[in-house]
Amino acid sequence: QSVLTQPPSVSAAPRQRVTISCSGSSSDIGNNFVSWYQQLPGAAPKLLIYDNNKRPSGIPDRFSGSKSGTSATLGITGLQTGDEADYYCGTWDSSLSVWVFGGGTKLTVL
Amino acid sequence: EVQLVESGGGLVQPGGSLRLSCAASGLTFSNHGINWVRQAPGKGLEWVSYISSSTRTIFYADSVEGRFTVSRDNARNSLYLQMNSLRDEDTAVYYCTRDGLSGDYGGPNWFDPWGQGTLVTVSS
Repeated sequence: QSVLTQPPSVSAAPRQRVTISCSGSSSDIGNNFVSWYQQLPGAAPKLLIYDNNKRPSGIPDRFSGSKSGTSATLGITGLQTGDEADYYCGTWDSSLSVWVFGGGTKLTVL
Repeated sequence: EVQLVESGGGLVQPGGSLRLSCAASGLTFSNHGINWVRQAPGKGLEWVSYISSSTRTIFYADSVEGRFTVSRDNARNSLYLQMNSLRDEDTAVYYCTRDGLSGDYGGPNWFDPWGQGTLVTVSS
């Protein structure tokens, strides 16, 4: 069981918008930055969002991140079939001194 | 080209040992902390270990504490993971990934880039 809670799956139609939630506690999300990773089928994970809402160069602005209290959210607009992937949130747990990931969310673009 | 390349994976019996390596090229290695993250077949990501740029700070997941040892050789742009007393549940693809911030911080910040991973299978 993961420390950070994500929905196992989400789905939406092409060109629509979807959000993926990530719920934690005061020792992890509540006091640390959140990052998000995309893992396409058969590939290594890739950084999508860091420091809650910053995008690395090369990541389109269709991807966005936000954080409020002990929860974080990844938003994807203008969905494309190429966005079908597993998405993971992650952050540092200050109490346990370990990095924690969410269980992952499988995005299906219908 | 910026890349991290893991090697050393393979089949090992329960109780055995294995040493993974991660070689960096095309990117600054010595100024960044480095992490190991693993993924069991069909499962999610699990963070394994972090070593700071100076090696002053090292963290392990509870699941590997006391069995795994991380080290690095900045002169060779390389990272290592010595895995002892391996268990069935250690079976996974192991990724090395650079910490997003340069400098010696208290722990991981974010992970970018990632290697392609090396598969470790623990089975009799």
